[in-house]
Formats: sequence, structure tokens, C-alpha cells
Amino acid sequence: EIVMTQSPATLSVSPGERATLSCRASQSVDKSLAWYQQKPGQSPRLLIYGASTRVSGTPARFSGSGSGTEFTLTISSLQSEDFAIYYCQQYNHWYTFGQGTKLEIK
Amino acid sequence: QVQLVESGGGLVKPGGSLRLSCVASGFTFSDYYMTWIRQAPGKGLEWVSYIRGDSSSIYYADSVKGRFTVSRDNAKNSLYLQMNYLRAEDTAFYYCARDGRLNSSWYTDWGQGTLVTVSS
Repeated sequence: EIVMTQSPATLSVSPGERATLSCRASQSVDKSLAWYQQKPGQSPRLLIYGASTRVSGTPARFSGSGSGTEFTLTISSLQSEDFAIYYCQQYNHWYTFGQGTKLEIK
Repeated sequence: QVQLVESGGGLVKPGGSLRLSCVASGFTFSDYYMTWIRQAPGKGLEWVSYIRGDSSSIYYADSVKGRFTVSRDNAKNSLYLQMNYLRAEDTAFYYCARDGRLNSSWYTDWGQGTLVTVSS
């Protein structure tokens, strides 16, 4: 099983600042990597697939990068609605999710 | 717009059974792989199973293999998960999710989830 490790577990950032979330795979997943956002009491929402392709409706302040085993989700200027939990998911070999990064207001 | 509505969750004793349903609308259901994903309360996400649009390809996570059965009825735009021999560790919100058209990959749309609680 490919293990996805996200860091940090919790990230405290002020509104308007930049947030950088990391996701590491235990073996290469090429660019088969998606990012999801989950707010309390809601189901996850797909933000990015293919490591860097934003889905329709994902604001341009969200960007994904990386390939192989190292991936990053960057939110360029945090808005109040961005504070949530973020999960990465690999779909290169079966399907596994990271444990999540909680993005909280500083 | 795409809508996925799960139902069938509830409280069940260990060893018991439950059948979850997911009714889809807003897209051509038979064209898409569909997936079940679960999330224990306060925990992360775990892939459970997927089924191809024509039901010709079905896979399960090792944690549920032999106990859960996924199926679909394209005429009813419905996805199902029959869960037998339930264990305490199966307690979770169960989400159905729309998957890809050509293969299983990322999940573009999710239902609101249905809670399954396994407890005596």
C-alpha cells in the first residue's frame, strides 16, 4: 500500500498570508495526485487533480505542484472560507489518502 | 447539477448487516465509475470499493473484502453497498462519490454521507 503523509498536521496562518501544505508518498505516484478540502459537517470537495490541474470552480489562489513522491498545495492569499482540512489522495496504485492538514486561523 | 444522496445508515450490532444506497442525478450514471469512501468520526478518508459503469469491474479494500458487496442499478441511477459481518471498526460516515469515466481516479462529486454505527 502506498502511504501518503501530510505535513504539518495543523497549520496556523493569518488571513491574507500564504499557506503551503505538503504531501509525501511512500513511493512514486507520478502525477496521480488529487487535493480535497473538507469543512466541518461537509463532505470533501475536489480542488485539484493530476497534481496541478484545478477543477472548475477552484479559485486561482489554489495551486498544486510536484510529481513522484513530493507534492505541495499552495494557497496564495488565505480567505476566511479557506480554513478547513485538506487531504491529498493518490490514485496511481489503488487509492490512499493522507491523514489531512488542518488549516486554522492564526 | 450533479447530486448524490446516500441513505441506509444507522445503528447495528457487531456481526449485523446493513445496506446503503446512493441515488444519483444530474449526469449519465451508467457512464461513470462509482466509489464508496468512508470516514470514521474525526478521522481521515478511506477508500472502500469501486464499481465500473457497466459493473464489469469491481474492487474492494482489504479491510472489507469478503464482507461488503457493491452493486449498481443503472436503470434506477442507484449505487448500493451491502455490508455484512459488521465490526466496530466499520463505524464511519459512508460517502458515495462520482469517479472517472474511463478509469477510477479522483472523485469529482460526493454525497452528504450516511453514518453507520456498529455497537452493542
